[in-house]
Amino acid sequence: AQSVTQLGSHVSVSEGALVLLRCNYSSSVPPYLFWYVQYPNQGLQLLLKYTSAATLVKGINGFEAEFKKSETSFHLTKPSAHMSDAAEYFCAVSRSGGGADGLTFGKGTHLIIQP
Amino acid sequence: NAGVMQNPRHLVRRRGQEARLRCSPMKGHSHVYWYRQLPEEGLKFMVYLQKENIIDESGMPKERFSAEFPKEGPSILRIQQVVRGDSAAYFCASSPLTVTDTQYFGPGTRLTVL
Repeated sequence: AQSVTQLGSHVSVSEGALVLLRCNYSSSVPPYLFWYVQYPNQGLQLLLKYTSAATLVKGINGFEAEFKKSETSFHLTKPSAHMSDAAEYFCAVSRSGGGADGLTFGKGTHLIIQP
Repeated sequence: NAGVMQNPRHLVRRRGQEARLRCSPMKGHSHVYWYRQLPEEGLKFMVYLQKENIIDESGMPKERFSAEFPKEGPSILRIQQVVRGDSAAYFCASSPLTVTDTQYFGPGTRLTVL
């Protein structure tokens, strides 16, 4: 069975500061990993995904994530936070690349940006 | 290319009524997934369908819930005899043919059961 743990239900950073959102996974097979962002009352938008190619994955809006097998982690980072980054962020895992089975999501991290 | 469309966006039902949620996948996508999001929770997988077939319904409650994706028309998630605990946001996602493709999410239907 697969699972995802997101450490910290709420993370607050100052505008311009580093953003670090943590995600640890458990999977019995090589995983495919995803980060999605959800703005209030909207659906989920894919930020980036890891599909066993490069371990450092670059996504949209300046976000990137690094797959670390030894730590079973896939943390999301952004060098400089912007007010528009305030949203809910979800980490997810799949047995396939995402097109052949349901995703297992973490509970989400609410990112707060302080002016 | 229009995104995944869901309707209605908001649905209010009284206990015991039926709720029908519709999802039109992106053009060219033949895989549809339904997820439920409860307050303060992440999304929970419910069911995965391809045209006219249910591939994986391991996340569907055993009673009152059903899903279909007919040859023509949108995918439908049906909840019979709704209860207050069914109040949630229901999201549909779609992906193209290959197993490595990303799932693209719709805006969701927010169901409120009075």
